[in-house]
Amino acid sequence: GDSVTQMEGPVTLSEEAFLTINCTYTATGYPSLFWYVQYPGEGLQLLLKATKADDKGSNKGFEATYRKETTSFHLEKGSVQVSDSAVYFCALSADSGGGADGLTFGKGTHLIIQP
Amino acid sequence: DAGITQSPRHKVTETGTPVTLRCHQTENHRYMYWYRQDPGHGLRLIHYSYGVKDTDKGEVSDGYSVSRSKTEDFLLTLESATSSQTSVYFCAISDFGRASTDTQYFGPGTRLTVL
Repeated sequence: GDSVTQMEGPVTLSEEAFLTINCTYTATGYPSLFWYVQYPGEGLQLLLKATKADDKGSNKGFEATYRKETTSFHLEKGSVQVSDSAVYFCALSADSGGGADGLTFGKGTHLIIQP
Repeated sequence: DAGITQSPRHKVTETGTPVTLRCHQTENHRYMYWYRQDPGHGLRLIHYSYGVKDTDKGEVSDGYSVSRSKTEDFLLTLESATSSQTSVYFCAISDFGRASTDTQYFGPGTRLTVL
């Protein structure tokens, strides 16, 4: 079945550091890929998405590129802020189900940014 | 923000009692989902609905049932709660199909504790 693998952390960085959170996936067909962010005590918010190979999703300074050859969708940000502290989830929407039958999530990466 | 509310937001109950969680949306989206979030597991799909009275099972459906009698409401029922069902439950909605997008939008979550 489909699966998503990401580092669980916690990942601790200093403010203004460069961020990379790795995400790799296993899926049949051509899934859509997502990054969601969860701030403490809240639900998940869509951060960015990509629907086909070589697409780059971007939002709030975060970027991720859909790499089909390496089955990866790594999240990056050039300079993190304390307000970026949260849990980040990589997810995929299965091509076989057309996306309607739910998302498959990674276990989440807890990011802590220190001032 | 997508108009999604969940009730109750917090609940403590005892083993063996029935529990119903409610998800309400004001977006008129066709698809609705129930996930549970547990440490070390990320989010896992319990059940989903692709229309009024149309539902299907997800990855972890045992011990749960759902109903959708109106577009805006999706109910999750634990017929006889067990301690293993202590979790945070998230509802999500999607407008997949009509908007040609498989993005899901999440509610604020319900924290359920089964003693």
